[in-house]
Amino acid sequence: AQTVTQSQPEMSVQEAETVTLSCTYDTSESDYYLFWYKQPPSRQMILVIRQEAYKQQNATENRFSVNFQKAAKSFSLKISDSQLGDAAMYFCAYRRTSYDKVIFGPGTSLSVIP
Amino acid sequence: NAGVTQTPKFRVLKTGQSMTLLCAQDMNHEYMYWYRQDPGMGLRLIHYSVGEGTTAKGEVPDGYNVSRLKKQNFLLGLESAAPSQTSVYFCASSYSITSGGQETQYFGPGTRLLVL
Repeated sequence: AQTVTQSQPEMSVQEAETVTLSCTYDTSESDYYLFWYKQPPSRQMILVIRQEAYKQQNATENRFSVNFQKAAKSFSLKISDSQLGDAAMYFCAYRRTSYDKVIFGPGTSLSVIP
Repeated sequence: NAGVTQTPKFRVLKTGQSMTLLCAQDMNHEYMYWYRQDPGMGLRLIHYSVGEGTTAKGEVPDGYNVSRLKKQNFLLGLESAAPSQTSVYFCASSYSITSGGQETQYFGPGTRLLVL
């Protein structure tokens, strides 16, 4: 069975600094999708970034980028120039391509210090 | 586009009462999902639907029923609410793989349910 692990329950970063959130997953599939979702205090789930496993190039979305290490089954999220609005719960998620269940990690709570 | 909407936003139930949560999407997505979110456990899939008239069980289906009579709506029912069902419920939708659309799920704003 697939699992998603986020080993950092809480993280903090100084405003304007860079922070990296860790995620590892377990799968026997070779083709799949990985996501980072952000959940601010409003509780809305917001897609931050997605990565296709068949692509070697790491996905980037403005200040957000990932370090995808397929062999190590690692998918970390880097937030550059952190802003107060980045404070939220961040969930790493995995989705097989053969069917559409998404498996979420337990989340990392990110605080941004002014 | 309103995206994914959920009704109600918050509800308090007594043990044994029943209720239905409504999810609606206006993106013509084939797939729809119901998750529950509990502290420290991330999101867990309750039920999902791959098309109008079809439903399937997720990770934690017990105590819930669903229906997808129309493509744009996905209903989650609690027949006899229990305190263990106190949670935040999220609905999501996505295109199917075969439609050639995105695999990303779009989430609603969530429904807070408190069962006393």
